[in-house]
Amino acid sequence: GESVGLHLPTLSVQEGDNSIINCAYSNSASDYFIWYKQESGKGPQFIIDIRSNMDKRQGQRVTVLLNKTVKHLSLQIAATQPGDSAVYFCAEISAGKSTFGDGTTLTVKP
Amino acid sequence: DAGVIQSPRHEVTEMGQEVTLRCKPISGHDYLFWYRQTMMRGLELLIYFNNNVPIDDSGMPEDRFSAKMPNASFSTLKIQPSEPRDSAVYFCASSFGLSNEQFFGPGTRLTVL
Repeated sequence: GESVGLHLPTLSVQEGDNSIINCAYSNSASDYFIWYKQESGKGPQFIIDIRSNMDKRQGQRVTVLLNKTVKHLSLQIAATQPGDSAVYFCAEISAGKSTFGDGTTLTVKP
Repeated sequence: DAGVIQSPRHEVTEMGQEVTLRCKPISGHDYLFWYRQTMMRGLELLIYFNNNVPIDDSGMPEDRFSAKMPNASFSTLKIQPSEPRDSAVYFCASSFGLSNEQFFGPGTRLTVL
């Protein structure tokens, strides 16, 4: 029979623009969240994390927002660069167990 | 530190053969994870160890899969016998503490013909 793969959301932005990648999580008991970046042919790489007692955390060019009411997580990348092109995963951690989202493909056009 | 090391990087085998994937975690990390990534199912946790002891293997697909961690610096994931549907990229990751950042290896791309 025909195989059906995951249909990853895609986001295409112009270099220099800001990017926002969204993630809905499922477990209201999750107490820790991580955003990972995966470039082609490589393993996922940590970008930024946030604990459930926070609603915002900022890194160098990245910001993560957590809305526990609607179980939503977002990753904002400022001044997006071609090197930011990758698949981005959110992970929710509950009782130490990580569950990864399907991922969003970000393409940055020069 | 060289990061998490996995070998081989690529493996092509025939259905029915035994496959062994290897992982060296980051020194000092007390947790080791094995994941499988496919286009169909995304990234799935197979099993994880704490201080060389398997803690949760509920993600292991079936009895054909087994994992061991004989010491703090080495783990194997074995598939016997392998099947075409096992074709995927297998990642090993390690962390210091359970609810902390996991460091992933480069993965092993397995193709079962």
